[in-house]
Amino acid sequence: QQQVKQSPQSLIVQKGGISIINCAYENTAFDYFPWYQQFPGKGPALLIAIRPDVSEKKEGRFTISFNKSAKQFSLHIMDSQPGDSATYFCAASIRSGQNFVFGPGTRLSVLP
Amino acid sequence: GAVVSQHPSRVICKSGTSVKIECRSLDFQATTMFWYRQFPKQSLMLMATSNEGSKATYEQGVEKDKFLINHASLTLSTLTVTSAHPEDSSFYICSAQSGGGADTQYFGPGTRLTVL
Repeated sequence: QQQVKQSPQSLIVQKGGISIINCAYENTAFDYFPWYQQFPGKGPALLIAIRPDVSEKKEGRFTISFNKSAKQFSLHIMDSQPGDSATYFCAASIRSGQNFVFGPGTRLSVLP
Repeated sequence: GAVVSQHPSRVICKSGTSVKIECRSLDFQATTMFWYRQFPKQSLMLMATSNEGSKATYEQGVEKDKFLINHASLTLSTLTVTSAHPEDSSFYICSAQSGGGADTQYFGPGTRLTVL
């Protein structure tokens, strides 16, 4: 129940294309869903986050879509750039708690 | 804002020695800090959670006597790997949370530990 599933494991997109990464969870107590971007040899950096009271959140080229009934959320990267090539992790947590449950990650490669 | 630093960024040590890694929140007070371990091409594995002034809570399977965590102040937590062995070689990452209802964890840049 604590698991967060993430797909695909790896993704190759042409420059200018849309990258889509999907996550699913089981625990309905989760109420905070962040996405992190990690470059090789670096720590994860918060990209964007959403709470279940909204179905979509957009920040620049990054959009989270949230489907509470399906217990799924996804990250969309519009106009993908080679600099977006990194590993992306979704996560979930309970607001009253502390621990994040991370997905297994998606390695995104954006071809020039 | 919300910057977390780690020191050192890389460390190489001999088997049997102890290594201390520092994690600092530079521009906010971190009531809670987390320590993760990450193997190549894998996700982050939570090792322990520490609240300032309290004993750390370790995840199942993590040896608390081997991975000593101290969270002595609201801006500093340390992880000491005692009697390190080659299998302890990994990428260790800390994160900090400001508390007060805040959800977000801010991560440090990580420390690459290599035990020879």
